[in-house]
Amino acid sequence: SQQGEEDPQALSIQEGENATMNCSYKTSINNLQWYRQNSGRGLVHLILIRSNEREKHSGRLRVTLDTSKKSSSLLITASRAADTASYICAPADRGSTLGRLYFGRGTQLTVWP
Amino acid sequence: EAQVTQNPRYLITVTGKKLTVTCSQNMNHEYMSWYRQDPGLGLRQIYYSMNVEVTDKGDVPEGYKVSRKEKRNFPLILESPSPNQTSLYFCASSTTSPGNLKANVLTFGAGSRLTVL
Repeated sequence: SQQGEEDPQALSIQEGENATMNCSYKTSINNLQWYRQNSGRGLVHLILIRSNEREKHSGRLRVTLDTSKKSSSLLITASRAADTASYICAPADRGSTLGRLYFGRGTQLTVWP
Repeated sequence: EAQVTQNPRYLITVTGKKLTVTCSQNMNHEYMSWYRQDPGLGLRQIYYSMNVEVTDKGDVPEGYKVSRKEKRNFPLILESPSPNQTSLYFCASSTTSPGNLKANVLTFGAGSRLTVL
């Protein structure tokens, strides 16, 4: 499958702890995008990292990309209860037509107060 | 406010009754796309559009039609809905296509929950 595959499927932590989620994919990519989805709601973009980048930061978020291992990780530092959501990775397949992002099923993060 | 607006947000209909889900964006984006989300599955692309009058099939186009007559609008049409089209639908847009070297993130609508009886 060309879709991203997140690991773990579910993660439960206390407020203040860091949360790390991983994404693996199988093809060559132009970029990889991370999104957040609260239950049953629309997706909100978090970060886009291009294939020639290795690390990117945005506030409490840090994303890394290892194209040799075909994997990416999303780190959320000092988690808050409001971070509870599903985190979804989406690799943009270089080999496909220009219109394709392949969304994973997501990691369900629960942050307890 | 920059946004993607979908309507209706919720709809219950019956098999065979044609319906249209509208999608409009106010960001002058070239790229627009429809996805469906089902339990246990990632978002699957139905159709996408690279620009006005340019549309193409995604991974699950059967039973759907789209049109892109204006840059801001990208309606999804179900000519004869069936129960297997019961799903949560999302419209999204971006400056250019995700696979482009200058790709940008997608902005999503709030979703349209469709039930076909």
